[in-house]
Amino acid sequence: EDQVTQSPEALRLQEGESSSLNCSYTVSGLRGLFWYRQDPGKGPEFLFTLYSAGEEKEKERLKATLTKKESFLHITAPKPEDSATYLCAQGGGRRALTFGSGTRLQVQP
Amino acid sequence: KAGVTQTPRYLIKTRGQQVTLSCSPISGHRSVSWYQQTPGQGLQFLFEYFSETQRNKGNFPGRFSGRQFSNSRSEMNVSTLELGDSALYLCASSSGQASNSPLHFGNGTRLTVT
Repeated sequence: EDQVTQSPEALRLQEGESSSLNCSYTVSGLRGLFWYRQDPGKGPEFLFTLYSAGEEKEKERLKATLTKKESFLHITAPKPEDSATYLCAQGGGRRALTFGSGTRLQVQP
Repeated sequence: KAGVTQTPRYLIKTRGQQVTLSCSPISGHRSVSWYQQTPGQGLQFLFEYFSETQRNKGNFPGRFSGRQFSNSRSEMNVSTLELGDSALYLCASSSGQASNSPLHFGNGTRLTVT
């Protein structure tokens, strides 16, 4: 059974203080590693898909990377509007996406 | 392009009642998935429908059911509600197979069972 573990559970940053979120996934059978952002009271918003080790995707202050056993979401010079819960999910063949429990990010001005 | 629309946004029901939630996917998306989100369990997969057929099912009791119509709109039904069914129910659509394609979520239906 696929398992996705995210760390840390919560992260508080000062505006401009860069950091990384971690997502560890089940190694066998990866069919895509997905990152989402979720704001309170809303559904998850799709950010990135990564399919193979070494792949990187960027969007504004966010950059997602993938290795053979984990993915990182790097946040460069974050702003308060980046505060949200970040979820990663593993795709796996005919099975549904398996989501991690998320990292709650708070960026203070 | 309009996003995924879920109705209603909020529901309050009593134990033992049943409830029906509705989802309209992004135009052109034929796959619709349903997830339950709770603080303790996170996002848990309920089922996926594609072209009116259930293609995948999670580990939920038979009280949870769904269907998809010819226009790709989907409904899920929960019968004999229990207190533990209180959750945010999220619908997502995708253009490809839901197991390895980006899902696009609606803002959910918040169900409270009293």
